[in-house]
Amino acid sequence: DVKVTQSSRYLVKRTGEKVFLECVQDMDHENMFWYRQDPGLGLRLIYFSYDVKMKEKGDIPEGYSVSREKKERFSLILESASTNQTSMYLCASSSSGTGEFFGPGTRLTVL
Amino acid sequence: GESVGLHLPTLSVQEGDNSIINCAYSNSASDYFIWYKQESGKGPQFIIDIRSNMDKRQGQRVTVLLNKTVKHLSLQIAATQPGDSAVYFCAENTTDSWGKFQFGAGTQVVVTP
Repeated sequence: DVKVTQSSRYLVKRTGEKVFLECVQDMDHENMFWYRQDPGLGLRLIYFSYDVKMKEKGDIPEGYSVSREKKERFSLILESASTNQTSMYLCASSSSGTGEFFGPGTRLTVL
Repeated sequence: GESVGLHLPTLSVQEGDNSIINCAYSNSASDYFIWYKQESGKGPQFIIDIRSNMDKRQGQRVTVLLNKTVKHLSLQIAATQPGDSAVYFCAENTTDSWGKFQFGAGTQVVVTP
C-alpha cells in the first residue's frame, strides 16, 4: 500500500521559533508538494519539488523554505513562525501520469 | 488565472440515496482529473480519476462523468452511506504542469439517517 507519512499530526510552536515539517514517501515518486489548507481557502501550494535538490515556488511561498536532499523526503521549514502560519499542512507526492497522494496532515498552531 | 471550482459548498443526502457532486473547470487544456475525499482531520484520499479521452469511469459505488464541451466534472456516489460524509474536491492537471494539480474548494457532503 502506497504511503506518505508526515512527522507530526499536531504541533504547537511559539512565534519566532524555527519549525521543521518532515514528509516521507515510499513510492519512489519524483514530485513532492507542500500545501496548506485553511477553512474557506482550500488547498494552497507552498512549494513543490520535481527532483532531488530541485524546488519551485508555489502560490504562497513567503515565510517558508523547503529542502529535498533525498528523493523520498521533502521538508518544509518555517524560519520564524508567525501566528498567521497556523494551519493544516499537507504533503503530497506524485509521479508523471499519476495523481497526488497525500499524507495525513500536520495541524500546526503558532502561539 | 485558471481555476477549478465547485457549484455547491454543502450537500445534504439521505442515507441510501445517490449523491451527485459537481465541479467546473476553466482550463480547456486540462487532460487529467481526480476526485478526492477528505474526512475530518485527515489528508485527502484518492477516489477515482479520469483522463480527457474518456467521458465516464466507474469504480466501486462511484462514477465520474466528464463533459469537456462545457468543462464540467461530476462525481456520483451510489447508495450513500454515513461513511461517505466528508469534503469532496476535484483536481485537474495538464501533462506539462510537472504533476502539479489545481484543486477545487470542496463540497461538504453530509449523510443523514
